[in-house]
Amino acid sequence: NAGVTQTPKFQVLKTGQSMTLQCAQDMNHEYMSWYRQDPGMGLRLIHYSVGAGITDQGEVPNGYNVSRSTTEDFPLRLLSAAPSQTSVYFCASSAPHRGRQETQYFGPGTRLLVL
Amino acid sequence: DAKTTQPPSMDCAEGRAANLPCNHSTISGNEYVYWYRQIHSQGPQYIIHGLKNNETNEMASLIITEDRKSSTLILPHATLRDTAVYYCIVRVTGTASKLTFGTGTRLQVTL
Repeated sequence: NAGVTQTPKFQVLKTGQSMTLQCAQDMNHEYMSWYRQDPGMGLRLIHYSVGAGITDQGEVPNGYNVSRSTTEDFPLRLLSAAPSQTSVYFCASSAPHRGRQETQYFGPGTRLLVL
Repeated sequence: DAKTTQPPSMDCAEGRAANLPCNHSTISGNEYVYWYRQIHSQGPQYIIHGLKNNETNEMASLIITEDRKSSTLILPHATLRDTAVYYCIVRVTGTASKLTFGTGTRLQVTL
């Protein structure tokens, strides 16, 4: 299994540009999430999904859109990039286990710089 | 989710045990204690979790106090590769998709 993969690894955008960060997992996990991490801080939840066709907002959703058309993919769209969105973005997935605890698996991250 | 408090940084000599504390005094009865770590700028990695009993796996041990208001992650023989930021997270079942990370403890393992 490749686990959780993210593309691209690095991206530079100009203010106002749009782009999509890709995230895929091959573990058949129902849950997927997007986090951002600013320098010296912990991760903050942007959006998450508990299954195909179901998404919800996290702590910092403004300026981002998500969709979940398949179990494997969970792309994150920046509608109009702003310098405040310069950050490292992590995608994660997990599977619910009835009666057991589920754990999240994280991708390697996408480093985004908005000029 | 209950709030957690961790020291911002700790040092440990290689080969010695690293004991990382976490305070979660407002934890509820159905909340588990999870530990993750983040090495350099990689994605966080799951280490261990527990409810009220002490737990051990191949990576670490988790000691939870009887009143569950605090816990300690123990790396029995720290190596340089254990240098990382360690996050203590408290959450209920079914919330794996929406973890709340604090700023964690930066563990520096030295020769």
